[in-house]
Amino acid sequence: DAGVIQSPRHEVTEMGQEVTLRCKPISGHDYLFWYRQTMMRGLELLIYFNNNVPIDDSGMPEDRFSAKMPNASFSTLKIQPSEPRDSAVYFCASSPPPFRGTEAFFGQGTRLTVV
Amino acid sequence: AQSVSQHNHHVILSEAASLELGCNYSYGGTVNLFWYVQYPGQHLQLLLKYFSGDPLVKGIKGFEAEFIKSKFSFNLRKPSVQWSDTAEYFCAALSGGGADGLTFGKGTHLIIQP
Repeated sequence: DAGVIQSPRHEVTEMGQEVTLRCKPISGHDYLFWYRQTMMRGLELLIYFNNNVPIDDSGMPEDRFSAKMPNASFSTLKIQPSEPRDSAVYFCASSPPPFRGTEAFFGQGTRLTVV
Repeated sequence: AQSVSQHNHHVILSEAASLELGCNYSYGGTVNLFWYVQYPGQHLQLLLKYFSGDPLVKGIKGFEAEFIKSKFSFNLRKPSVQWSDTAEYFCAALSGGGADGLTFGKGTHLIIQP
């Protein structure tokens, strides 16, 4: 398996634009997580899905952020409109069932810069 | 809610020095603990994990960590570091049924000088 695949690897956009980050989890993993990494706050869990259903989105910073998982092999994290403070590295991770007792496998991340 | 704290944000060591990175967690119940490593420009990779049993856990690349329940700690150690160990190290905890996902510490940036 190729691992968790994220795209794009780098994204530079202007403030106010819509940004969509994509993630393909490892086949057979039914948990999917979106994390954000910044110097100030470290790694933060934004949202996670189980069997394509959002379970906990309490980490999503604002209504400008939304995430979907239309099927078991694809998820998106959208920011609309984007702001400079959204600049960060966004990681997607997946985990096989059951999550408790197993590790999470991370993608390479998307480095987002909002200017 | 659980939280994870790492004591040092930056650590600089010379090659062959011994390493210990501190990690404390706040959750009082059953907890699973992890150390992840992020090499420059790369994604997070698992170093080691603790679920139950022997509190001294051996990981990859000569790393180990000791779970001390009474101290709520899970410190990472390596007896002799190498230049290639330069990376960001994250401690993470998973509590209860995993309902909150992994909670990470803010990370420790380790720099090994040749």
